[in-house]
Amino acid sequence: GAVVSQHPSRVICKSGTSVKIECRSLDFQATTMFWYRQFPKKSLMLMATSNEGSKATYEQGVEKDKFLINHASLTLSTLTVTSAHPEDSSFYICSARILELSTDTQYFGPGTRLTVL
Amino acid sequence: AQRVTQPEKLLSVFKGAPVELKCNYSYSGSPELFWYVQYSRQRLQLLLRHISRESIKGFTADLNKGETSFHLKKPFAQEEDSAMYYCALKNNDMRFGAGTRLTVKP
Repeated sequence: GAVVSQHPSRVICKSGTSVKIECRSLDFQATTMFWYRQFPKKSLMLMATSNEGSKATYEQGVEKDKFLINHASLTLSTLTVTSAHPEDSSFYICSARILELSTDTQYFGPGTRLTVL
Repeated sequence: AQRVTQPEKLLSVFKGAPVELKCNYSYSGSPELFWYVQYSRQRLQLLLRHISRESIKGFTADLNKGETSFHLKKPFAQEEDSAMYYCALKNNDMRFGAGTRLTVKP
């Protein structure tokens, strides 16, 4: 099956710094990638939809200036958490979408655990 | 608005017992529904989708439009089925339910 990687898998940073998380589709091209946030013992919350070559579409309540998304190529999307604060600590998961014939499938990355001190 | 509800946060059954994980949805159009599973320390992965009408690892799920449900069932649970299960509804993006943690006891 298709593979999606995320880097780093875990990051600890100081409050006020910015952190970049990469999401790559390793063996396929993804015109659309999604970024989710998962709180402890809670479900995945869609943050934004990232389309290659265009601006990301953010969900209501998600600050686009705080969570910068760039989808510069068909295999890479990045999420930058700017001026991170402890409340941004969470598990961030990306997924990449494949459209093949009549099938529309999302493949998920392993996630990145962000801890802001 | 599209919404997915999984009423049970935790579900525990004994090995060999039947298991049903409930999922209800609200959506104005024709829904496309999925079940995803996340085993311990592994990434989220697709288990099955309603349009395929398939059985994966012994699990099946039938879309009931009248009851707006997409419950996941398995007649005989195995210990390796212990995981977190998410029901999801797709429009342009994927909306997930809160998840149900299934524990299958020996």
